[in-house]
Amino acid sequence: NAGVTQTPKFRILKIGQSMTLQCAQDMNHNYMYWYRQDPGMGLKLIYYSVGAGITDKGEVPNGYNVSRSTTEDFPLRLELAAPSQTSVYFCASSPFSGAKNTGELFFGEGSRLTVL
Amino acid sequence: TQLLEQSPQFLSIQEGENLTVYCNSSSVFSSLQWYRQEPGEGPVLLVTVVTGGEVKKLKRLTFQFGDARKDSSLHITAAQPGDTGLYLCARPRGSSNTGKLIFGQGTTLQVKP
Repeated sequence: NAGVTQTPKFRILKIGQSMTLQCAQDMNHNYMYWYRQDPGMGLKLIYYSVGAGITDKGEVPNGYNVSRSTTEDFPLRLELAAPSQTSVYFCASSPFSGAKNTGELFFGEGSRLTVL
Repeated sequence: TQLLEQSPQFLSIQEGENLTVYCNSSSVFSSLQWYRQEPGEGPVLLVTVVTGGEVKKLKRLTFQFGDARKDSSLHITAAQPGDTGLYLCARPRGSSNTGKLIFGQGTTLQVKP
């Protein structure tokens, strides 16, 4: 059971480039999230999805876009990369369905992005 | 404000010592979670506390939720090098936990053998 898988693990981008961070989960979870983690700042929510076809903004959505065409996949798109987007990005999922609602987030291993 | 303040931010101790990490807010929250994160990995849930005054134990780790549900603490007894990591507290953004969390800035713990 792979859990939450993120690719790539590392990436260096030039200012103005675009890229997509991939996230896939095999636990059939309804809810998926993207967080970013900066040193000394904890994690901040970028976007989330409560199911296929439904997405919404989190705390820091500017400069990012998401889509959720399937239950399994939740890619994060960075358009026109800026140095402020240098961070570690974490995808997470959670069941949130009736008795399975433990409130637990299952995180991937992260994608470290540097924008130069 | 819904911010969570963790203290201390850094802690370096010797194996066998005890320690306490604090997580405080000026507002009441419905529940609180503690996660541990090791280098190069994502956070992993340790515990969820939901009732004011609640105490939960996980081997050498003791978690407490304040009576007023504005604060929480994590106490580690006889710390071991395997306890080294980043400890994060997190609370729901709204009145119920839908995974939209507000995280504290984290406490980095180093336990030296």
